[in-house]
Amino acid sequence: DSGVTQTPKHLITATGQRVTLRCSPRSGDLSVYWYQQSLDQGLQFLIQYYNGEERAKGNILERFSAQQFPDLHSELNLSSLELGDSALYFCASSLGTSNLHEQYFGPGTRLTVT
Amino acid sequence: TQLLEQSPQFLSIQEGENLTVYCNSSSVFSSLQWYRQEPGEGPVLLVTVVTGGEVKKLKRLTFQFGDARKDSSLHITAAQPGDTGLYLCAGETRNNAGNMLTFGGGTRLMVKP
Repeated sequence: DSGVTQTPKHLITATGQRVTLRCSPRSGDLSVYWYQQSLDQGLQFLIQYYNGEERAKGNILERFSAQQFPDLHSELNLSSLELGDSALYFCASSLGTSNLHEQYFGPGTRLTVT
Repeated sequence: TQLLEQSPQFLSIQEGENLTVYCNSSSVFSSLQWYRQEPGEGPVLLVTVVTGGEVKKLKRLTFQFGDARKDSSLHITAAQPGDTGLYLCAGETRNNAGNMLTFGGGTRLMVKP
């Protein structure tokens, strides 16, 4: 158990819909990262937040957005869903942004778009 | 776009054999990390290498970072069935504000008893 929690574990929805994935970081961690893992693209970095502020952005689609709240939990919002958005979505947390700060990954949310 | 190429993609070996997984890029990274992922779980960090030429050992696993900090290798000695899993390398890129990881495509290892 990494200490990072993600809900829901599984999500099945239809094309065009909007969903929200939730992540609670490990106690004391200020940085949260979101990743998407699909069979064809592998594990891809989406976005990073540190203490409520966006710090780094990867290949995140405009239909996707995220935020980190004052209690440090984070949400990833996916809208106008397409079949290709079906994937595992991981959240990771770390103490800070240093390369000495290990990223701890949550168990993931499996999203299926039908 | 920074890319990390991992090879081989799949590896099936007998218990007791040695193996090496390679991670190559044309880009320089601040650090390189190796993860192991089990089915249904998130990746778990095995090691971080930071300095060019650095070698780190973790029991039967030996990790090396290339001199130019563009490539890395993972060598497993006397593989065991418990080593079975997906091995991922990830290069870290940093800017003034934050950091991001670029992952390789992964090497799926199966060690047969």
